[in-house]
Amino acid sequence: AQKITQTQPGMFVQEKEAVTLDCTYDTSDPSYGLFWYKQPSSGEMIFLIYQGSYDQQNATEGRYSLNFQKARKSANLVISASQLGDSAMYFCATSGGSNYKLTFGKGTLLTVNP
Amino acid sequence: EAGVAQSPRYKIIEKRQSVAFWCNPISGHATLYWYQQILGQGPKLLIQFQNNGVVDDSQLPKDRFSAERLKGVDSTLKIQPAKLEDSAVYLCASSLGDRGKYNEQFFGPGTRLTVL
Repeated sequence: AQKITQTQPGMFVQEKEAVTLDCTYDTSDPSYGLFWYKQPSSGEMIFLIYQGSYDQQNATEGRYSLNFQKARKSANLVISASQLGDSAMYFCATSGGSNYKLTFGKGTLLTVNP
Repeated sequence: EAGVAQSPRYKIIEKRQSVAFWCNPISGHATLYWYQQILGQGPKLLIQFQNNGVVDDSQLPKDRFSAERLKGVDSTLKIQPAKLEDSAVYLCASSLGDRGKYNEQFFGPGTRLTVL
């Protein structure tokens, strides 16, 4: 079974600053994936970034990077140069099991202040 | 490329009534998922289809929830009878399904259900 823990219910950041959203995971699978999704107030889930458990380098996608520390079972999302449009819920998820289903955390509400 | 389509976007019903949601995945996506997202929580998988077969329905309350994916394309999720605790957003997602643990899922806009 997989479990995702996001300990920050809410985070605030000033526009143009960087912010780190925390995620720790627990899984018994030897091979797994870690995902971050963004959910604006409109409700759709938007894929941001993916990290494979055997990937040697931390994943990056534009302003998003994933700080993957396998020994600590953490997969924190770093958003650089925050923008007002980054205000949303952010969910960390892991894929595992024979059907690679996603298990989500409870999310972190990020508010970017002007 | 068109995204995942869902309808209706909003639905309000009274408890003990029935309701159905429809999902049309991205063309060519073999895997289809239905999630339930209760306010303040992350999505929880209800059922996963691979083509028109069920892969995982371990968290589907089968006494009241049912789902089908005829012909391996569109899918319908039904609740009968609804309870107050079924109030949630129901998200449909699809993926190619052939990439193992890298299984990027594309989500639809969701259906917000309110049970009174």
